[in-house]
Amino acid sequence: GQQVMQIPQYQHVQEGEDFTTYCNSSTTLSNIQWYKQRPGGHPVFLIQLVKSGEVKKQKRLTFQFGEAKKNSSLHITATQTTDVGTYFCASTSRTGNQFYFGTGTSLTVIP
Amino acid sequence: NAGVTQTPKFRILKIGQSMTLQCTQDMNHNYMYWYRQDPGMGLKLIYYSVGAGITDKGEVPNGYNVSRSTTEDFPLRLELAAPSQTSVYFCASRVLLSSYEQYFGPGTRLTVT
Repeated sequence: GQQVMQIPQYQHVQEGEDFTTYCNSSTTLSNIQWYKQRPGGHPVFLIQLVKSGEVKKQKRLTFQFGEAKKNSSLHITATQTTDVGTYFCASTSRTGNQFYFGTGTSLTVIP
Repeated sequence: NAGVTQTPKFRILKIGQSMTLQCTQDMNHNYMYWYRQDPGMGLKLIYYSVGAGITDKGEVPNGYNVSRSTTEDFPLRLELAAPSQTSVYFCASRVLLSSYEQYFGPGTRLTVT
């Protein structure tokens, strides 16, 4: 199946600093999704990207899909304590039926 | 709409016992999924269903079974529980093949001792 590797595993930032997590694959991805999971909670869908080079923004969050569709990134500008949680990328199988999740990046924001 | 609901929230099983994790969605979604999440790890797909009466294996199906007799319900059965099945289990649903947005339930935390 599709393997998506995610780095870093952990990130501690001071409130107000920027944060970036990366998702990489050795094979071309059909699409990429990003989820956020708060501590003790369930994953919540943030966005999906399907086109090569696609960039989408949601307030302080910027999502990118690489030109070769083998990598993606999530960048948060000026982190806030509400950004705390684990961010996962995911992609589907070629049929689109199955999902493969990255191992996640746990973000801690220090006030 | 309640969305995706899961029961129970917590459960402790002894080795060799069996149980069913319940999952129900009220959004009339065709696609449903079962995942397990081990500490510090991503989600691994156990089984999925593309509609009532249709199920298929995911990455880690061994030790589990599913059924999908209705659009709303997608129960996950654990037979002969083992300590390796200690995990948090999430059920999710999805409306269309063209949309990759999954709606997750609150999860079931299972401990096998």
